[in-house]
Amino acid sequence: GESVGLHLPTLSVQEGDNSIINCAYSNSASDYFIWYKQESGKGPQFIIDIRSNMDKRQGQRVTVLLNKTVKHLSLQIAATQPGDSAVYFCAEIRSGGTSYGKLTFGQGTILTVHP
Amino acid sequence: EAQVTQNPRYLITVTGKKLTVTCSQNMNHEYMSWYRQDPGLGLRQIYYSMNVEVTDKGDVPEGYKVSRKEKRNFPLILESPSPNQTSLYFCASSLRSALGEQYFGPGTRLTVT
Repeated sequence: GESVGLHLPTLSVQEGDNSIINCAYSNSASDYFIWYKQESGKGPQFIIDIRSNMDKRQGQRVTVLLNKTVKHLSLQIAATQPGDSAVYFCAEIRSGGTSYGKLTFGQGTILTVHP
Repeated sequence: EAQVTQNPRYLITVTGKKLTVTCSQNMNHEYMSWYRQDPGLGLRQIYYSMNVEVTDKGDVPEGYKVSRKEKRNFPLILESPSPNQTSLYFCASSLRSALGEQYFGPGTRLTVT
């Protein structure tokens, strides 16, 4: 597949371990955040989102934590599986104002899960 | 099947030759957007559209044009492509805004020589 991960942070885990992927966002006015997963040769796929009035949201095997004080997001994946191997991106959005609809992605993290 | 389609999937062209990459969605989504993806730079938004006849610049709009005459289509136009526009391009759509789940197309690999 295409290489989009040159020079990205990497995380290597064993199957069954929990994974934590971190993201720092830049705009303190951003009030909505999304995590995407991108497998080799494919477009990004939505995982989970969170609004700024929350600090935690859980999905199936995934949890997103938001710390607005330090502008930090994390994605926790429980019982990581080989199929979770991918590049993970966070994205920030301002849900109002003149930039409503504008979305900014973080640089991405490569997750590799070893059987 | 609900999907976002892009054409062509691969294109090699020469500097200055106008080209259009088409994007179409069959989900009646209001919001559509174009991104480019480059190694080490991640995904960057080029243009987005909140609805028909409404388009706005993203972070890297220079050298690109878009139009949104119909809800389902959002073509990306490069009037005079240059080598620095060699990239992997993704179109995406979502129901009502950038909030919520965006569905991405399969990508278009463009090479400008």
